[in-house]
Amino acid sequence: AQSVTQLDSHVSVSEGTPVLLRCNYSSSYSPSLFWYVQHPNKGLQLLLKYTSAATLVKGINGFEAEFKKSETSFHLTKPSAHMSDAAEYFCVVSDLGFQKLVFGTGTRLLVSP
Amino acid sequence: ETGVTQTPRHLVMGMTNKKSLKCEQHLGHNAMYWYKQSAKKPLELMFVYNFKEQTENNSVPSRFSPECPNSSHLFLHLHTLQPEDSALYLCASSQERGGARLEAFFGQGTRLTVV
Repeated sequence: AQSVTQLDSHVSVSEGTPVLLRCNYSSSYSPSLFWYVQHPNKGLQLLLKYTSAATLVKGINGFEAEFKKSETSFHLTKPSAHMSDAAEYFCVVSDLGFQKLVFGTGTRLLVSP
Repeated sequence: ETGVTQTPRHLVMGMTNKKSLKCEQHLGHNAMYWYKQSAKKPLELMFVYNFKEQTENNSVPSRFSPECPNSSHLFLHLHTLQPEDSALYLCASSQERGGARLEAFFGQGTRLTVV
C-alpha cells in the first residue's frame, strides 16, 4: 500500500528566501510522485511529477523536487519565494499504473513581505 | 484554466433539497473522478469512471449518486445531505492508456454548504 507524509502542516518564509516543503512516501513499487498546488478557493494544479526518469524534476513557477529513494523522500524546493507562492501544497504518490492517487494532508505555505 | 470546468462554484442547500454538481472536461480524457476535500483531512476519492463505466466507489453513502453520460461529463446528484457533507467537491480527469492512468487534472471545485 502507498502512503505519503507531509511533515509540516504550515511553513512560513519571507519573500526572496528559499522554500522547502518536505514529503516522505511509502510504496511497495517504484512510485510515481507528484506535487500539486491549491490557491484559495481554487482547484488543484499540477506543479511537477516524477515517473522514474531523472531524479531531479523541474516544475512550473521555479519549483523543483528531488526523488531520493534511499530516504524515501520527494521534497519540494524553490530558491526564492514570491508572494504569489502562498498556497497549500499537496504531495501525492501513485501506485503502479497510476490506479490510485494517495494524497498527503497538505502543507500551507505562508509568504511574508 | 485546466480544461476541467465545474458548476456551480458555490452551493448552499438544505438537508431536504436535491441538487446536482456538474463537471465537464475538454481534454479528451477517458477517466473522470469525484473527490471530497474537507478541512484538515486528506483528499478523499469518492468515485472513478473509466470510459463512462463506474470502476470505483469508495464506500460513499447513497445520498451521493454519480452519473457519467459520456466521457466528457460527470455529475454528482445530491439528496438528503447532512451538515458533515459540507466540503469542497473536486472533479478531475485523466487519460488511461495501456492500463495506466496519467496525471490528473482538477477543476476548481464546488464549495458545498449544507444547512
